[in-house]
Amino acid sequence: DVKVTQSSRYLVKRTGEKVFLECVQDMDHENMFWYRQDPGLGLRLIYFSYDVKMKEKGDIPEGYSVSREKKERFSLILESASTNQTSMYLCASSLDGGRGGNTIYFGEGSWLTVV
Amino acid sequence: AQKVTQAQTEISVVEKEDVTLDCVYETRDTTYYLFWYKQPPSGELVFLIRRNSFDEQNEISGRYSWNFQKSTSSFNFTITASQVVDSAVYFCALGGAGTYKYIFGTGTRLKVLA
Repeated sequence: DVKVTQSSRYLVKRTGEKVFLECVQDMDHENMFWYRQDPGLGLRLIYFSYDVKMKEKGDIPEGYSVSREKKERFSLILESASTNQTSMYLCASSLDGGRGGNTIYFGEGSWLTVV
Repeated sequence: AQKVTQAQTEISVVEKEDVTLDCVYETRDTTYYLFWYKQPPSGELVFLIRRNSFDEQNEISGRYSWNFQKSTSSFNFTITASQVVDSAVYFCALGGAGTYKYIFGTGTRLKVLA
């Protein structure tokens, strides 16, 4: 079975804290993604990675960074959390080849509240 | 520019009714892919179907069916004889052959009342 695991389901952090959201996939997928989901806005792409140590900005990268040191792991980092980063964060992965034609599989999501 | 529009923000139906969720997309690509996902209250997006632009055959899977019409740029999803367990947010998405990006609609919240 396809499995994308996000380390934390619910987090509460203080403004200014550095926050790490971890994601692991066990499908040997080349591509990994971080999305943010907000009511009325759907899913917005923050960053994606198509290979180890490779990353590209999505539509809303400001205030975020990512790390991919191993193929199976993709981390999202909030350098200095702010209240407007309170949201649901979704990690996903897909095979390469055919790019946007491959099915993207999601984790369960991480609900982050910044106070 | 690529875009996915799900005009229905929320739909409520009574159990056993049929319901159709609309999805309209925009793309200039000739090769593209369309997806539907279900997001139950637990949060995880569950993959339902993938369609490529060259396959306009409608698909049926149990109570679920999908109608892909290139002429109207639509990829609609119908649930027949809805059940309470169908209550969720449903997302339509568009993937292009030449890009890593997937464009998601804003989702339709379906409430099925017992």
